[in-house]
Amino acid sequence: NAGVTQTPKFRILKIGQSMTLQCTQDMNHNYMYWYRQDPGMGLKLIYYSVGAGITDKGEVPNGYNVSRSTTEDFPLRLELAAPSQTSVYFCASNLHRGYEQYFGPGTRLTVT
Amino acid sequence: DAKTTQPPSMDCAEGRAANLPCNHSTISGNEYVYWYRQIHSQGPQYIIHGLKNNETNEMASLIITEDRKSSTLILPHATLRDTAVYYCIVRVAHEAAGNKLTFGGGTRVLVKP
Repeated sequence: NAGVTQTPKFRILKIGQSMTLQCTQDMNHNYMYWYRQDPGMGLKLIYYSVGAGITDKGEVPNGYNVSRSTTEDFPLRLELAAPSQTSVYFCASNLHRGYEQYFGPGTRLTVT
Repeated sequence: DAKTTQPPSMDCAEGRAANLPCNHSTISGNEYVYWYRQIHSQGPQYIIHGLKNNETNEMASLIITEDRKSSTLILPHATLRDTAVYYCIVRVAHEAAGNKLTFGGGTRVLVKP
């Protein structure tokens, strides 16, 4: 198993541009999550999904959108990039409630 | 989820045990204690979790006090590769809304040769 994979690893955006961060897991996990981590801080939950077709907001959803059309994929969309969205983005997944979460390697995004 | 308090940093000698404390005085009866760590620039990695009994796995041991208001993660023989930020998280394991993790500041552990 590749586990949780994220693309791209790095990206620089100009203010107002849009992009999609990709996340794929091959473990047949029901639950998937997007977190962001600002420098020197802990992770904050952006959005999560408990299964295909079901998504919900986390702690910091403003400026982001998600979709979950398949069990494997959980893309994160930034529509109008702002400097405040400069961060490292982590995708995670787990099988059932209460199970450990597996994290991807992260996407480092800079908005200038 | 209950709030946790951890020291911001600690050093440990290579080969010695590292004892990482965590206070969670407002923990509820159905909340578990989880530990994750984050090695520089990588995604967090699950270490261990427990409810009230002490737990051990191949990575670490978790000691939870009888009143459950605090816990200690023990890395029995720290290596340089254990240098990381360690997060103590308290949450309900089987909540209907999924398994959202709330990360605080964590403890930055530096293992020295």
